[in-house]
Amino acid sequence: SQTIHQWPATLVQPVGSPLSLECTVEGTSNPNLYWYRQAAGRGLQLLFYSVGIGQISSEVPQNLSASRPQDRQFILSSKKLLLSDSGFYLCAWSHAGTSGRGLRNEQYFGPGTRLTVT
Amino acid sequence: AQSVSQHNHHVILSEAASLELGCNYSYGGTVNLFWYVQYPGQHLQLLLKYFSGDPLVKGIKGFEAEFIKSKFSFNLRKPSVQWSDTAEYFCAVIPTSGTYKYIFGTGTRLKVLA
Repeated sequence: SQTIHQWPATLVQPVGSPLSLECTVEGTSNPNLYWYRQAAGRGLQLLFYSVGIGQISSEVPQNLSASRPQDRQFILSSKKLLLSDSGFYLCAWSHAGTSGRGLRNEQYFGPGTRLTVT
Repeated sequence: AQSVSQHNHHVILSEAASLELGCNYSYGGTVNLFWYVQYPGQHLQLLLKYFSGDPLVKGIKGFEAEFIKSKFSFNLRKPSVQWSDTAEYFCAVIPTSGTYKYIFGTGTRLKVLA
């Protein structure tokens, strides 16, 4: 069965420090991968998604970047954190599928990382 | 721009009451539709989904949703809620072509009183 891991679970970082959040998926190949930020009352904001190694689509101009160095690894980074980067970050994956509506099937979410920038 | 609206932000019900959470989306083409639930301290997980066919779909834990294409709606229902249904519920859509972006609503926090 497939599983998705995120770490760390919680993180407290000072303003201006770098960030690296990691997400890995097991039990599937060539997944579509996603980073979201969840804020109370705002739902899930899509930050980045990737349909393959080295392919990153950025949805929101901001202080963050993403990379996909391996098929099942998705990393969220920042060179210098801002106070506004605080939040709950979720990684998700979905099957890439072969064609049609199967390509856009359900997503599977990780446990999330609570980031507090002080 | 594509968007999903969940009009009920907070809902409080007593056990055994009926539930209906609204979800409307704006997109002119064909979409896949989803409801996710996030129980306190747990991962987001899928409740149910609609791709095609019978517009009334049934999910886990007695939930169902009806897709009304003419109204761009996908409302979630449960005839009799339980205390354990206390959670946050998210509606999401994704066009069936051209993008891999899922659009989520802002969520509805449901509290069920025992």
